[in-house]
Amino acid sequence: DQQVKQNSPSLSVQEGRISILNCDYTNSMFDYFLWYKKYPAEGPTFLISISSIKDKNEDGRFTVFLNKSAKHLSLHIVPSQPGDSAVYFCAARDSPSGTYKYIFGTGTRLKVLA
Amino acid sequence: DVKVTQSSRYLVKRTGEKVFLECVQDMDHENMFWYRQDPGLGLRLIYFSYDVKMKEKGDIPEGYSVSREKKERFSLILESASTNQTSMYLCASTRGGSYGYTFGSGTRLTVV
Repeated sequence: DQQVKQNSPSLSVQEGRISILNCDYTNSMFDYFLWYKKYPAEGPTFLISISSIKDKNEDGRFTVFLNKSAKHLSLHIVPSQPGDSAVYFCAARDSPSGTYKYIFGTGTRLKVLA
Repeated sequence: DVKVTQSSRYLVKRTGEKVFLECVQDMDHENMFWYRQDPGLGLRLIYFSYDVKMKEKGDIPEGYSVSREKKERFSLILESASTNQTSMYLCASTRGGSYGYTFGSGTRLTVV
């Protein structure tokens, strides 16, 4: 059963507008969340993280919001740029397992239109 | 610049072959991981290792094994390659704690 879900496989946004990527999870014990960006034929690169004790983290154009009661996090990109076009994965740390294992969502392909 | 290096970007192998995918990291990380990425399925964990000679199964270990003889090197082995193992394979490492993963560039494996 998928513990981390990204229900939108794709998203198109006009350049300069806001991109909002969503992620839902089922395990309330997840304690750390990450967003990664992936270009074709490359490995994922780290974007931004958030601890479960916070509800917001901001880094430049990227902001991640965490709603623990809804088990939902979102990534906001403002303003969106064509270079942001990539697949975005959210990931949740399975801390209760005692390892540093992250569980990844299925990804959302973002296309920013010039 | 810290790195996770996967030895091959593209590989084509025949069904039934034994395939070795190599991963080396230069960050002295204890924890290393092998994922595969498939369209619509995201990244799925195959195996991971939290110390030399230690390994644990991930979510989809069937048909795979791993080897970690040295801290910096984590190898994924396809014992007898099959066409359903055609995929993008990603190696990652982390020092643990609140740190995320550093990924390699990936190996696109095609089994024919």
